[in-house]
Amino acid sequence: SQTIHQWPATLVQPVGSPLSLECTVEGTSNPNLYWYRQAAGRGLQLLFYSVGIGQISSEVPQNLSASRPQDRQFILSSKKLLLSDSGFYLCAWSPRTSGVSYNEQFFGPGTRLTVL
Amino acid sequence: LAKTTQPISMDSYEGQEVNITCSHNNIATNDYITWYQQFPSQGPRFIIQGYKTKVTNEVASLFIPADRKSSTLSLPRVSLSDTAVYYCLGGGATNKLIFGTGTLLAVQP
Repeated sequence: SQTIHQWPATLVQPVGSPLSLECTVEGTSNPNLYWYRQAAGRGLQLLFYSVGIGQISSEVPQNLSASRPQDRQFILSSKKLLLSDSGFYLCAWSPRTSGVSYNEQFFGPGTRLTVL
Repeated sequence: LAKTTQPISMDSYEGQEVNITCSHNNIATNDYITWYQQFPSQGPRFIIQGYKTKVTNEVASLFIPADRKSSTLSLPRVSLSDTAVYYCLGGGATNKLIFGTGTLLAVQP
């Protein structure tokens, strides 16, 4: 069966510090990978998605970046955090499909980031 | 990607059937309608997906009329544990999903 891991679970960082959040998927190959952010009381905002190693699409201009160094590894980074980067960060994966619009994504447990 | 509109919140009591309606007037021909459930401090969980007419699984039913401009998620006999935010989404072939603010369903005893 497939599982998705995220770490750390919680993180408190000062403004201006760097960030690295990691996500890994097990039990599947060639997944589509996604990073979302959810601010308190808000819906999910898609930040990045990837359809393969080294292939990253950015949805929202910001001081965050993403990388996919391996097939089942997705990393979210920042060089300098802002207060507005606080939120709940979720990684998700979906199976690679063609043609059919299949919208089932599987989410990880999330990382709660607080920037002070 | 279809823009969806759904109520901000709904209240219900245990044992009742709950119907949450979502409008998606500009749904594309190849878009499916998908519903997710999210509990606090957890990632969303896929509930059900459909293209047209009615789909039923062990958790819910989804009704989509012929014009596909709206859909209704039906939760039979809700319990307290069904209190959550429910998202209606329309997606495209790239699997990019756009989550709105969803509907907060509060189930009371």
